Parts: sequence; structure tokens; C-alpha cells
Amino acid sequence: DGGITQSPKYLFRKEGQNVTLSCEQNLNHDAMYWYRQDPGQGLRLIYYSQIVNDFQKGDIAEGYSVSREKKESFPLTVTSAQKNPTAFYLCASSIVSDSNQPQHFGDGTRLSIL
Amino acid sequence: GNSVTQMEGPVTLSEEAFLTINCTYTATGYPSLFWYVQYPGEGLQLLLKATKADDKGSNKGFEATYRKETTSFHLEKGSVQVSDSAVYFCALSPSPGANSKLTFGKGITLSVRP
Repeated sequence: DGGITQSPKYLFRKEGQNVTLSCEQNLNHDAMYWYRQDPGQGLRLIYYSQIVNDFQKGDIAEGYSVSREKKESFPLTVTSAQKNPTAFYLCASSIVSDSNQPQHFGDGTRLSIL
Repeated sequence: GNSVTQMEGPVTLSEEAFLTINCTYTATGYPSLFWYVQYPGEGLQLLLKATKADDKGSNKGFEATYRKETTSFHLEKGSVQVSDSAVYFCALSPSPGANSKLTFGKGITLSVRP
């Protein structure tokens, strides 16, 4: 079955450490997204990419970085510059050329600070 | 810019009660509208969508009608079940031809008691 796989499901970060969250899709979608979810705040867009080797900042990109070297993969790095990284992170993908089509989501990674 | 406003939660209902979750939006042009559902510990799943005015999206007993005159997309279900307990997000995608970024409401938690 096609879908989006996020790993790990739970991740712990020490102070001053960078961590990378994995997102892989086999839906042949061009566009991929990273969201952060905090209680009572809905989803906020961190970064998105509409094509390989290109990506744009979303609403809360500070303290995060991404790469898009392959169509299937869009890893997110939470850097030590992100002072409040504890959250639930969701990856999504979609057909870029048709805004009527929905985004498909992974099951998320929950990041906590040790 | 685009925005989505959902009614304040949480909502607690008894099984078989009628459900309405309000959603209004602000957007230019002709956006597509979506309802997503998030079960505990999981990512978001598309529940239903509508792509033009007066369209009715429906799935699993849930319905929502795209009302351009009132800029609304309220979610309804005639008889809720315990298994409907989840967080519900209203979202919009901009007019065709624009990029595929979604704008989400803050979400509302529904709890259905037996």
C-alpha cells in the first residue's frame, strides 16, 4: 500500500543537540510538507517542497532545516537553535499541480527534550 | 491572507447525539475545503472535501456543505458513536493554479461517551 512513513515515532533530544526526523513517501507525490502540532494551536507549517532540490520556508522555519535530494524523502532537522522543540511533528505529501487534491499525512514523530 | 476559524472546544456528546462543528473561512477566489480527523497518537486523515460552492462532501455518516454566501463549511453527523472521538480540523486549499499549501483551523476535540 502507498503511504507516508515517519520515523522514529518517539524521539528525545538533549540540550544543544541536533536531531533529524525521517519522512518517506511512495505515493509519487511531488510536494512534501512538515508541520508542527502543539496543543490548542492546530498545525503550523515549518517547510514545504514542491520539487526535488527546492524548498520554501513556512510560517515557523526558524531553528529548523530540511533537504529534498530525492522525490521520496524530505527529512527535517531540528537544530539546537530551536529553543522549544517539544511538539508533535507531522509530514505530509500531495500532488502539487492540483489544489483540489488532499494532503496525505504520516503518523507523526513526538519529540521531547531530556 | 487565508484563514480558517473553528468553534471553540472541546465538545462532549452522548452516543447517538447530533453533531455540528462550525467552520468559517476567509479566502480570495475559489478555495477547496476539507475536513480532516486525527485519532489519538496518529496523523491526520482526510474525512471529506468539497471543491466548489454548494458541493456537499460526505463520508462515514459525516457531511459538510460548501456555503460561499456565508463562507462556511460546517461538519454534521446525525448520530455520533464512541469511535468518532477524535480531533477534527477544517482546512482550505487556495484557488486552482495557486500552490497547494493548506491553511488549517485550530482543531476541536470531540469526546463521545457511551
